[in-house]
Amino acid sequence: GQQLNQSPQSMFIQEGEDVSMNCTSSSIFNTWLWYKQDPGEGPVLLIALYKAGELTSNGRLTAQFGITRKDSFLNISASIPSDVGIYFCAGPVAQGAQKLVFGQGTRLTINP
Amino acid sequence: GAVVSQHPSWVICKSGTSVKIECRSLDFQATTMFWYRQFPKQSLMLMATSNEGSKATYEQGVEKDKFLINHASLTLSTLTVTSAHPEDSSFYICSASSTGPNSPLHFGNGTRLTVT
Repeated sequence: GQQLNQSPQSMFIQEGEDVSMNCTSSSIFNTWLWYKQDPGEGPVLLIALYKAGELTSNGRLTAQFGITRKDSFLNISASIPSDVGIYFCAGPVAQGAQKLVFGQGTRLTINP
Repeated sequence: GAVVSQHPSWVICKSGTSVKIECRSLDFQATTMFWYRQFPKQSLMLMATSNEGSKATYEQGVEKDKFLINHASLTLSTLTVTSAHPEDSSFYICSASSTGPNSPLHFGNGTRLTVT
């Protein structure tokens, strides 16, 4: 089945630094989703991307849908303590499907 | 925005007992809901697709007789873990979408199940 490879698996940064993480796949995705999960809670949707090449921002977060449709990037600028958590990329298992496949997640830790 | 509510948020049960977890869409109707399981420090793994008014569709390797799913209304799906064992201890998360292929999934807050 489809798989999403997310990297890095973990990041340890200083407050105020920028963060970049990415997600790749061997197959094409028509939708890329980025979620954040806080401990003990469900994932919360951050950004949804629907078009190759699309660049979308949500506050300090920016995500891009790769031209090849096989990758996506999430950047966080000027990180703050509440950015701590696990970030997941996800995509539908088939075009138009609501079933999602998730990346392994990137665990972000911020040192104040 | 769309809200998905899950109950309970945590439960502890003894081996051999059954536990029911509820997933509700609060401000929209969901013909389809999804149940995921997440082990510590791992990603979300889809268990099954819950279809309103029909049988659930289970992913490969998920025992349908152990994880009973009922989707009796457009706003409620339930997952019952039957004859629970310690290895069933996990974080169970449901999700739902309102309508359309481009409506992103919204997730509940999850249920932490601990089987002793």
